[in-house]
Amino acid sequence: AQSVTQLGSHVSVSEGALVLLRCNYSSSVPPYLFWYVQYPNQGLQLLLKYTTGATLVKGINGFEAEFKKSETSFHLTKPSAHMSDAAEYFCAVSPISGGGADGLTFGKGTHLIIQP
Amino acid sequence: DAGVIQSPRHEVTEMGQEVTLRCKPISGHNSLFWYRQTMMRGLELLIYFNNNVPIDDSGMPEDRFSAKMPNASFSTLKIQPSEPRDSAVYFCASGRGSTGELFFGEGSRLTVL
Repeated sequence: AQSVTQLGSHVSVSEGALVLLRCNYSSSVPPYLFWYVQYPNQGLQLLLKYTTGATLVKGINGFEAEFKKSETSFHLTKPSAHMSDAAEYFCAVSPISGGGADGLTFGKGTHLIIQP
Repeated sequence: DAGVIQSPRHEVTEMGQEVTLRCKPISGHNSLFWYRQTMMRGLELLIYFNNNVPIDDSGMPEDRFSAKMPNASFSTLKIQPSEPRDSAVYFCASGRGSTGELFFGEGSRLTVL
C-alpha cells in the first residue's frame, strides 16, 4: 500500500523567492515518485519524476526535487518563483512494477500562490 | 502527437439521467486510468485497464458506475443514474509499460443538478 502526504494545502511566496513544496510518501516497495502541475481548467502535466539513479532530478520550468529515502521525502523546489508558477501541484507515488502501470496514488495537492 | 482526448469537456445533466464520458488514449499506451477530482476528496483512482482488461475497479463508488474499454483506442465511463454527488471533474490518463508515468486528458467537468 502506498500513500502520499503533502504538507500545506496552500503555499504563498513572493515573486523571485524560493519555492518549497513538501511531499512525504509511504510505500511497501521501492517507489517511483512524481510531481505534476495543474493549471486552472486543465489536466495534470508531468513536472519531473524519479525512477532510479540520481536522487536529484530536474524537471521543466526550473523545478527540481530530491529523493531522500531515509526521510521518505520528495520535496519540490525552485530557486526563484515566477508569476506563471501559480498552480496546483501534486506529488504522486507508484510502485515499481515489471508489467503495466498500476496507477499513481496522489497527494491532496498544494496550491501555490505567487505574490507580486 | 495528439495527447489523451476526452469528451465532452463539460456536461450538465439532471439527476437520474445517464452520463457517458469518453476517452481516447495516446496511441501505443497499454494502460488507461479513470480518475475523479473533487475539492473534498482530491484525485481518486476509479478504475484502470491494462491491455484493455480491467485490472482494479475497487475505486468505483458504486454500481451506478461502469467502465469499458472495447479496444486499445477507446474507453467509456458511464454513470446511470447520475446523482448530484457525482458532480466532479473526471480525468482519463494513459501510460506505457512500467515507467509509471501517466499522461492526462483535459478532463470532463460533470455537473448533476
